[in-house]
Amino acid sequence: SQQGEEDPQALSIQEGENATMNCSYKTSINNLQWYRQNSGRGLVHLILIRSNEREKHSGRLRVTLDTSKKSSSLLITASRAADTASYFCATDAAGGNEKLTFGTGTRLTIIP
Amino acid sequence: EPEVTQTPSHQVTQMGQEVILRCVPISNHLYFYWYRQILGQKVEFLVSFYNNEISEKSEIFDDQFSVERPDGSNFTLKIRSTKLEDSAMYFCASRGTGWNYEQYFGPGTRLTVT
Repeated sequence: SQQGEEDPQALSIQEGENATMNCSYKTSINNLQWYRQNSGRGLVHLILIRSNEREKHSGRLRVTLDTSKKSSSLLITASRAADTASYFCATDAAGGNEKLTFGTGTRLTIIP
Repeated sequence: EPEVTQTPSHQVTQMGQEVILRCVPISNHLYFYWYRQILGQKVEFLVSFYNNEISEKSEIFDDQFSVERPDGSNFTLKIRSTKLEDSAMYFCASRGTGWNYEQYFGPGTRLTVT
């Protein structure tokens, strides 16, 4: 798989349920960032987790990072219709120039 | 809240024409980036820029591409002779100084080459 692969590719849940998306990557990283993209629109920064962190929270978002497994997860609790979007992880490779390598994304649909 | 802005939001151009995409990064940021996203594909890194010079560029960023920071606020991407395959959404991003800072993206410019 390529650097930054999310799964599932698509996820549909009922409003109010929790949504979990996963990201795997291949190289050592400085940090991993999650972004949201509404259809055809810009990338909205959600959260950054550094390589020495294991878990981070921001509102209804919870991100975990397991550097031994080279994986991260994004949990959105109590989902809302407005959470419908594509979600991407992006890694900043260790020793790199802080360019981000994006995953393929998870398309999340919240059913009202 | 400060944000990255980009103009135009949509640019239609004919093959072979030159285009300039404009970005205004967040004012106290010093690191700037361009990425692109071809429809239905991943976001891809093009180039990073710091201290008035390119710090890294991808294989995509060939001689037809150039970047410039003409003044203290704008950051531009020029494509000299556009090709059909340049059609994509182009995103500008910036980040603050120091290590391990978030990259904030602009809303993008949709470039359509006909």
